[in-house]
Amino acid sequence: GDSVTQMEGPVTLSEEAFLTINCTYTATGYPSLFWYVQYPGEGLQLLLKATKADDKGSNKGFEATYRKETTSFHLEKGSVQVSDSAVYFCALSDSGGYQKVTFGTGTKLQVIP
Amino acid sequence: EAQVTQNPRYLITVTGKKLTVTCSQNMNHEYMSWYRQDPGLGLRQIYYSMNVEVTDKGDVPEGYKVSRKEKRNFPLILESPSPNQTSLYFCASSWDRAGSGANVLTFGAGSRLTVL
Repeated sequence: GDSVTQMEGPVTLSEEAFLTINCTYTATGYPSLFWYVQYPGEGLQLLLKATKADDKGSNKGFEATYRKETTSFHLEKGSVQVSDSAVYFCALSDSGGYQKVTFGTGTKLQVIP
Repeated sequence: EAQVTQNPRYLITVTGKKLTVTCSQNMNHEYMSWYRQDPGLGLRQIYYSMNVEVTDKGDVPEGYKVSRKEKRNFPLILESPSPNQTSLYFCASSWDRAGSGANVLTFGAGSRLTVL
């Protein structure tokens, strides 16, 4: 079955540092890929997505590129802020008729001033 | 405002006492789903519904029931809760048609359940 593997946290960075959170996936067909973010005490919300190979999703300074050859969708940001502290989930949605979304285990990011 | 509303947000109950967590969405979404979030395990799907009167099991359905009598509502029922159902629960919905390849979920704020 489909699966998503992301780097374990927590990740602690100083403000303005560069962020990378690794995500790799296993899926049949051509899944869509997502990053969701969960701020403390809130539900998940979509951060960015990519629906086909070589697509780059971007939002709020975050970027991720759909790499089919390495089955990866790593999240990056050039300069993190304290307000980016949250849990980040990588996810995929299969391309079949069943709308299952499979999530990774989440990576907690803490940004310190 | 487009949203998914869950109630209650917090609940402490005892083993065996039936409870229902309600979920309602105002976006006319066809697809709705329940997840539980546990440390180190991420989000796991409990049940999902493709439309009214159409529901199916997710990855961890044991001990749960759902119903979809109306498009906007998708309650999660714990007939006889046990301590291993202590968790953070999320309801989510989506408008994407099956096979469109971009199933973006809108989540509720979560319901933290403790079973003693």
